[in-house]
Amino acid sequence: DGGITQSPKYLFRKEGQNVTLSCEQNLNHDAMYWYRQDPGQGLRLIYYSQIVNDFQKGDIAEGYSVSREKKESFPLTVTSAQKNPTAFYLCASRGGEQFFGPGTRLTVL
Amino acid sequence: KQEVTQIPAALSVPEGENLVLNCSFTDSAIYNLQWFRQDPGKGLTSLLLIQSSQREQTSGRLNASLDKSSGRSTLYIAASQPGDSATYLCAVNSGAGSYQLTFGKGTKLSVIP
Repeated sequence: DGGITQSPKYLFRKEGQNVTLSCEQNLNHDAMYWYRQDPGQGLRLIYYSQIVNDFQKGDIAEGYSVSREKKESFPLTVTSAQKNPTAFYLCASRGGEQFFGPGTRLTVL
Repeated sequence: KQEVTQIPAALSVPEGENLVLNCSFTDSAIYNLQWFRQDPGKGLTSLLLIQSSQREQTSGRLNASLDKSSGRSTLYIAASQPGDSATYLCAVNSGAGSYQLTFGKGTKLSVIP
């Protein structure tokens, strides 16, 4: 089955720790995206990549980092510099339209 | 900067009723508009994509319209069912190259049996 997978589904982090969220797609899409969703808020763009080895900051990139070494993979690292990381994180890829993964819920303890 | 507004924030209807969800955007220079469905704790499922040159798109009981000049889109759901209960999100693409979507906050729909 073609699609987007995100892991883990739930992630708990202690303050001061970096954590990496995984996103993999087998849709052969060039473009991939990371969004953050907070309760009662619309999705906000963190980073996006239109091609391997290239990525751009979105609206809220501070405290996050990404890499795009393979077409299929676009991992997101939430660093200790992110002041309020508790949120639902969604990865997407784009063919003619954007398709989304199931999300990772990150909680800072 | 593009802003997307969805009204109402929440809607409760009895099963079988037809309903309309509204989406408005501030900058009419868009390339396309996408409607999504989100179930609690889940990712987004794409429902309909309307290109800027189109007036409407249909899929089953769903019909989405686009009036680019007035900055509005509507999602019409016919003969609502309890399984339609979810949050519906509208997103606007204002850039052809980067395809960056600007999202509304969504309308939470509850269909009562």
